[in-house]
Amino acid sequence: GDSVTQMEGPVTLSEEAFLTINCTYTATGYPSLFWYVQYPGEGLQLLLKATKADDKGSNKGFEATYRKETTSFHLEKGSVQVSDSAVYFCALYNTDKLIFGTGTRLQVFP
Amino acid sequence: KAGVTQTPRYLIKTRGQQVTLSCSPISGHRSVSWYQQTPGQGLQFLFEYFSETQRNKGNFPGRFSGRQFSNSRSEMNVSTLELGDSALYLCASSLKQGATDTQYFGPGTRLTVL
Repeated sequence: GDSVTQMEGPVTLSEEAFLTINCTYTATGYPSLFWYVQYPGEGLQLLLKATKADDKGSNKGFEATYRKETTSFHLEKGSVQVSDSAVYFCALYNTDKLIFGTGTRLQVFP
Repeated sequence: KAGVTQTPRYLIKTRGQQVTLSCSPISGHRSVSWYQQTPGQGLQFLFEYFSETQRNKGNFPGRFSGRQFSNSRSEMNVSTLELGDSALYLCASSLKQGATDTQYFGPGTRLTVL
């Protein structure tokens, strides 16, 4: 069945460092891909999405490109801030449901 | 526009009891999905409702059920609670059913089963 694999965390960075969180997927057909972020004590917020191959989603300095050839959707940000500390979930939408990765906790220190 | 709201935010029950959680979608959204989030299993899809009909269901026992009303509000019910049902239950709404339609999540209901 469909699945999403994310790099395990926590990812610990200093402020202004470059961020990459790896995400790969297995799916039949052509799923849509998403990154969601969850801040402590809150629900999920959509960060960005891409609906077809080579699409780039971007928001708040975060970017991810839908790579069909490598079945990947890695999340990147050029300069992280302390306020980016949260759990990040990669997800795919296929057959009428979202399938999530296990989440990657990001900790950014000043 | 108001976001997805879920009530109650926190709930404590004992084993064997039943519980009902409520979700109000964003105005105009007709699709509501439910997810369970636990430290061990992560985020898992429970079911989706669209126009008062269950369209899709995840791999959960029949103790988990739901419904959607004509105003798109949805309720989720868990009967005969077990300790393992302790989780954050998230509701998400979207405009319509569809592969590219973005789902917007509520803050969740934290259920603790003692």
